[in-house]
Amino acid sequence: EADIYQTPRYLVIGTGKKITLECSQTMGHDKMYWYQQDPGMELHLIHYSYGVNSTEKGDLSSESTVSRIRTEHFPLTLESARPSHTSQYLCASSETGLNSPLHFGNGTRLTVT
Amino acid sequence: QQQVKQSPQSLIVQKGGISIINCAYENTAFDYFPWYQQFPGKGPALLIAIRPDVSEKKEGRFTISFNKSAKQFSLHIMDSQPGDSATYFCAASSGIYTDKLIFGTGTRLQVFP
Repeated sequence: EADIYQTPRYLVIGTGKKITLECSQTMGHDKMYWYQQDPGMELHLIHYSYGVNSTEKGDLSSESTVSRIRTEHFPLTLESARPSHTSQYLCASSETGLNSPLHFGNGTRLTVT
Repeated sequence: QQQVKQSPQSLIVQKGGISIINCAYENTAFDYFPWYQQFPGKGPALLIAIRPDVSEKKEGRFTISFNKSAKQFSLHIMDSQPGDSATYFCAASSGIYTDKLIFGTGTRLQVFP
């Protein structure tokens, strides 16, 4: 059973549209992450947050932005979607301690036409 | 630049056989090596992890073997079952940032009855 929820599960949208991918967790974790996953490719960290009002960019450059106004909520926004943004986006959270595992949501598969 | 190289890309094993997935890394600062399992339509979930102070870690049918001098580590699944069919990702991180994982490209395992 997932304690981290992503919506929508699938999204097909036209070029130029603004989109927000939602991510919520009920575990009270301070740390949250967004990964981008393409078929046959590794997961790439695009954003992370270690607490409310804290956000950082990950290793993979992304045109998306994130916000962390509440501990449980970590939405990702694309102001103007492009076909190059087509991918699967995975949200995750973890406890603060060393070696704490990442808990992933089931992802949002985004297709930009 | 891919920092964690994973092979094979896909693997087909008969039920009861041994599945072996290999990963190699270059960054000698890496000191935490988890494996994640991802079923279709789901997010990845931590399967097993190892630190370089041990050469092997076993949990049930899953074993990580670690070779520090060769900078390689592998996942062995004994008595493979159809329910093990999934994509497996190795990963690595360094220091206190065990959550800043660098993932391999994944191995799709199919276990046939």
